[in-house]
Amino acid sequence: GAGVSQTPSNKVTEKGKYVELRCDPISGHTALYWYRQSLGQGPEFLIYFQGTGAADDSGLPNDRFFAVRPEGSVSTLKIQRTERGDSAVYLCASSSGPGSYNEQFFGPGTRLTVL
Amino acid sequence: DAKTTQPPSMDCAEGRAANLPCNHSTISGNEYVYWYRQIHSQGPQYIIHGLKNNETNEMASLIITEDRKSSTLILPHATLRDTAVYYCIVRNSGAGSYQLTFGKGTKLSVIP
Repeated sequence: GAGVSQTPSNKVTEKGKYVELRCDPISGHTALYWYRQSLGQGPEFLIYFQGTGAADDSGLPNDRFFAVRPEGSVSTLKIQRTERGDSAVYLCASSSGPGSYNEQFFGPGTRLTVL
Repeated sequence: DAKTTQPPSMDCAEGRAANLPCNHSTISGNEYVYWYRQIHSQGPQYIIHGLKNNETNEMASLIITEDRKSSTLILPHATLRDTAVYYCIVRNSGAGSYQLTFGKGTKLSVIP
């Protein structure tokens, strides 16, 4: 079956612009996660959705970052007034439920470059 | 979640067993040991997890010491496709534990 997909695979933008990154989770997965991975580092947690609601957004670095999941399936990560430091790979994962009992399946990521 | 320590890099000859160590000396009784790997330009992939007993699946074996302060991931016959960064993660059990906390991992290079 289809795995987690993310679009675009690459995004180049200029400092100060607004970007949206899309995640299509595995069908039927209620839990969805966003992580950010900087060069040479492991992924860092950003936000977790259970259904339509953000159950934990404690990893979002500041208020320029926002994510939605209006119908409990597709999610969009939105970054306003992008900065060069936002350049990273943004990873999305989904699981059939919350918690450590349910394996997280990751997408290939979106590589964001802010010039 | 407890902190883990892994060597930054390791080499392994193709066809040989790859043994990747992980220290987690502050692990508590309800914390599991998870292993993920990340092949270049892909998202992380789940490999295996365990609590205190050794575990084996089609991908790998996980050996956890009796005191649970360290573990070893074993790839029994490494291939070139096993070249990746391997992450050891300690994680609480239960529905409240959803966040994966990655370190820098071990970069495994399988040499022909």
